[in-house]
Amino acid sequence: QKEVEQDPGPLSVPEGAIVSLNCTYSNSAFQYFMWYRQYSRKGPELLMYTYSSGNKEDGRFTAQVDKSSKYISLFIRDSQPSDSATYLCAMTGSNDYKLSFGAGTTVTVRA
Amino acid sequence: DARVTQTPRHKVTEMGQEVTMRCQPILGHNTVFWYRQTMMQGLELLAYFRNRAPLDDSGMPKDRFSAEMPDATLATLKIQPSEPRDSAVYFCASGETGWGSYNSPLHFGNGTRLTVT
Repeated sequence: QKEVEQDPGPLSVPEGAIVSLNCTYSNSAFQYFMWYRQYSRKGPELLMYTYSSGNKEDGRFTAQVDKSSKYISLFIRDSQPSDSATYLCAMTGSNDYKLSFGAGTTVTVRA
Repeated sequence: DARVTQTPRHKVTEMGQEVTMRCQPILGHNTVFWYRQTMMQGLELLAYFRNRAPLDDSGMPKDRFSAEMPDATLATLKIQPSEPRDSAVYFCASGETGWGSYNSPLHFGNGTRLTVT
């Protein structure tokens, strides 16, 4: 079993819909949680970052962490075609060590 | 806008040949990672350097892969001999000390797409 599990999708939604993505993990030492966005033929770029449990909002994006359930989520409101990408969850136990990634979920937002 | 630069962007080679991939981390970054991405396995960590010293290369097949940082501006990943199963996209990422903070994320290059026939 992988340390980080993420449904690879693909996920296709109409423009304006709410996109819901999630990951589960097994390592209770993880306390830094991130979401990366990866466009086709590009490297991942940091989208959201959360330390420990709680919610974080940035514009149309909301990240949630539930450490008790070992479950993290990313919500995209009012989705746009430009949000079409692969979204990868990532986590680490230290703020200066290796990241463990989920498999990535490919999202397509239809105009 | 500072970027991690990877060369070559694409590489097609025959089985058994040596492959060298290069990465120029962002100036001032002291942490460098090599990741491999495939459809089946996703992003897998191969090696991790801090201040040019290898800290973790447990994800790398030691018999054929090697990673080095000859200097602070260059990281290399070599495969010798290459095999078809090495076909993947190889990413380099760099960060500052304490890169895990929100204001200091890891920066990824755009990868080297390797095809071994």
